Amino acid sequence: DAGITQSPRYKITETGRQVTLMCHQTWSHSYMFWYRQDLGHGLRLIYYSAAADITDKGEVPDGYVVSRSKTENFPLTLESATRSQTSVYFCASSVQAGGDTQYFGPGTRLTVL
Amino acid sequence: AQSVSQHNHHVILSEAASLELGCNYSYGGTVNLFWYVQYPGQHLQLLLKYFSGDPLVKGIKGFEAEFIKSKFSFNLRKPSVQWSDTAEYFCAVKGAAGNKLTFGGGTRVLVKP
Repeated sequence: DAGITQSPRYKITETGRQVTLMCHQTWSHSYMFWYRQDLGHGLRLIYYSAAADITDKGEVPDGYVVSRSKTENFPLTLESATRSQTSVYFCASSVQAGGDTQYFGPGTRLTVL
Repeated sequence: AQSVSQHNHHVILSEAASLELGCNYSYGGTVNLFWYVQYPGQHLQLLLKYFSGDPLVKGIKGFEAEFIKSKFSFNLRKPSVQWSDTAEYFCAVKGAAGNKLTFGGGTRVLVKP
């Protein structure tokens, strides 16, 4: 049971480059989420998706793009990376949004030079 | 907009001491409340959650939390901590009819052996 996986686990890139972070879940959960974790800010929601082909903005969506062509995958793309996007990125999934528990992936540590 | 405030950013304790972490939220309606824990180098895991009913919620690893509606609080407690409780703890809130979690800034707990 793989659960929820993220790749890569660590990434170093340069300002202006495009970067895609991958998230894959094996549970067929309807909902998937992307958060960024920064010191003092806790986790902040970037984007979420209620189902394949349905996505919506979270608290801090600027500079990010998502897609969800398949239920199990929810990639996050930084179209032109900036230093302020240096962070740890967590993907999560839940069966339904309701009061359901979100299950988190191991995270991707991204550094933008 | 909903918000979550965790009063302590860092807590240092000795083993066997009691732990209480404060969490206050701002939201106008019915809420679902969560505490997540992130052990060093690991992803977030659910400790406990409150949806309705008994305001005293028991979670894993001996943790409990009490929902006090009049104070908009959901404080986390453990009577006797262990070194293995060293982690970062996050309080989160979601409107009962909504689908997005809002996290507090986190409290880093260090338990000295």
